[in-house]
Amino acid sequence: AQTVTQSQPEMSVQEAETVTLSCTYDTSENNYYLFWYKQPPSRQMILVIRQEAYKQQNATENRFSVNFQKAAKSFSLKISDSQLGDTAMYFCAFMKPHYGGSQGNLIFGKGTKLSVKP
Amino acid sequence: DSGVTQTPKHLITATGQRVTLRCSPRSGDLSVYWYQQSLDQGLQFLIQYYNGEERAKGNILERFSAQQFPDLHSELNLSSLELGDSALYFCASSVAVGSGELFFGEGSRLTVL
Repeated sequence: AQTVTQSQPEMSVQEAETVTLSCTYDTSENNYYLFWYKQPPSRQMILVIRQEAYKQQNATENRFSVNFQKAAKSFSLKISDSQLGDTAMYFCAFMKPHYGGSQGNLIFGKGTKLSVKP
Repeated sequence: DSGVTQTPKHLITATGQRVTLRCSPRSGDLSVYWYQQSLDQGLQFLIQYYNGEERAKGNILERFSAQQFPDLHSELNLSSLELGDSALYFCASSVAVGSGELFFGEGSRLTVL
């Protein structure tokens, strides 16, 4: 069974600085997908970034980028130029590839609470 | 706005009661997923439906059941409620072809008193 571990329950960063959130996972699959979701106080789960395991290039979305180390089963999220609106819970998640209607559920880590301070 | 609609947003009820949570997926999405988020258990996958059929089961209690209707909306039924069932219940949907990510609704906050 797949597991996802986020070892940092809470983190804080000053506005405009850079912060890195850690995530490790365990799987015997060779092909899979990894995600970072953000849950602000409004509680909506918002997709931040996704990475396909077969792609060696790290995914980037504006100020958000990942460091994907497949052999180490590590998937960290870097937030550059942190903004107050980045304050939220961040969840790392794993998904096996699915086709048609086969299983495609996400397996989540426990989350990291990020506070951006002015 | 993810396009996934959940009702009600908040619900307060008593132990032993039964409630129904409703979810309308994004237009065109055939798969619906239910998740429970609580402080001690985190985000737990409950159940998945695809085009009306159950496809996967996670940590769903026997007191809970779900279904997906022909118009693709889904309902999660929670019965004989206990204090520990208080949680945020999310519905998510996906196209379920290839590697589509899940799109989440705003959740239904259930409080059992």
